[in-house]
Amino acid sequence: SQTIHQWPATLVQPVGSPLSLECTVEGTSNPNLYWYRQAAGRGLQLLFYSVGIGQISSEVPQNLSASRPQDRQFILSSKKLLLSDSGFYLCAFRDPGVSIQYFGAGTRLSVL
Amino acid sequence: SQQGEEDPQALSIQEGENATMNCSYKTSINNLQWYRQNSGRGLVHLILIRSNEREKHSGRLRVTLDTSKKSSSLLITASRAADTASYFCATELSGNTGKLIFGQGTTLQVKP
Repeated sequence: SQTIHQWPATLVQPVGSPLSLECTVEGTSNPNLYWYRQAAGRGLQLLFYSVGIGQISSEVPQNLSASRPQDRQFILSSKKLLLSDSGFYLCAFRDPGVSIQYFGAGTRLSVL
Repeated sequence: SQQGEEDPQALSIQEGENATMNCSYKTSINNLQWYRQNSGRGLVHLILIRSNEREKHSGRLRVTLDTSKKSSSLLITASRAADTASYFCATELSGNTGKLIFGQGTTLQVKP
């Protein structure tokens, strides 16, 4: 069966520190992968998506970057965190040609 | 601006009552989906309705789509306390991007 793993669940980081959030998918090949951010009480904002290894599309200019070093691994990074990077980060995937997205449990990031 | 706008933002009902949430969007879509999010968790897909469909049912869920008005509604019948969650509509834009645009969500509280 298909599963998606996202970690850590919570993270508290000082301003200016680096960030690395990892997401891995099992039970599928060549998935489309997505990183979203959700502000408190708000909807999801698409940050990055990837249709294949090394192929990353950025939706909004920001302090974050994404990479896809393996087919089922998606990483969200920052070299120096800002206060405004705080939020709830969600990874998701979908099988090519299928519209439904499946979400990880999310990472609550607090930048202090 | 967000593709999906939902109303109401918050809804509080008694167990056994029906809950209706509405979503409006702005551009042509392939399909419209509804997701549920329990507090602090990832999103779970509920139901998908294609642009050429007008109504769809799944258990206690009923979704309608009016492409002429660019709107959709989600009806949850005979609500239960366990239905308490946030509900989001998401539109997949025409084309084959696979990207979903989420609304701001409706927070539903079902009182026992």
